Amino acid sequence: QSALTQPASVSGSPGQSITISCAGTSSDVGGYNYVSWYQQHPGKAPKLMIYGVNNRPSGVSNRFSGSKSGNTASLTISGLQAEDEADYYCSSYASSSTEVFGSGTKVTVL
Amino acid sequence: EVQLVESGGDLVQPGGSLRLSCAASGFTFSTYWMTWVRQAPGKGLEWVANIKEDRSETYYVDSVKGRFTISRDNAKNSLYLQMNSLGADDTAVYYCARGRYSHTWWGQGALVTVTS
Repeated sequence: QSALTQPASVSGSPGQSITISCAGTSSDVGGYNYVSWYQQHPGKAPKLMIYGVNNRPSGVSNRFSGSKSGNTASLTISGLQAEDEADYYCSSYASSSTEVFGSGTKVTVL
Repeated sequence: EVQLVESGGDLVQPGGSLRLSCAASGFTFSTYWMTWVRQAPGKGLEWVANIKEDRSETYYVDSVKGRFTISRDNAKNSLYLQMNSLGADDTAVYYCARGRYSHTWWGQGALVTVTS
């Protein structure tokens, strides 16, 4: 039940695209297509941005997209906007019906 | 509108116990897995436990096994987390969330502070 590995911080200028990685193992990210991504602003509850690796919930901008290759999942934010500045967490279903979150990435819009 | 409202957060001494509740509304509670997630101050999210719709299956993160118990009352649309033998490492905001593999809906969180 070790946390998935994410970069501590990623930054980009408005309009640019950034990608956040989420590295796991074959027992979590690599073994199932149940990777989710959450956005969290300070003092707020997390918000689901991507589920099932690459699906967007209703109401989430299409600037957010997800993918997976092997044991690593990725979240791409295109057309970066000031409101995207937040913490982002990946999560994955893991063996033994548990769930594991990533270590979190702080996104800064320059 | 879906709502999840946690309650029961408090200041507690090391070794003490606390029971969190999560009142659900706006959806058919009895048809969803439910999950507890916590976040220590300034730290990341940590999955704590989940429970199947009919209470037949429960799962826990290793660090709380034997100390925490997740339960639900579908008649009352409520989710619970009984926390015993609390330690400083359990200090966190505890969120209830709907779902098993992904969580579209979250509560606002309940703060649990373990300190002497």
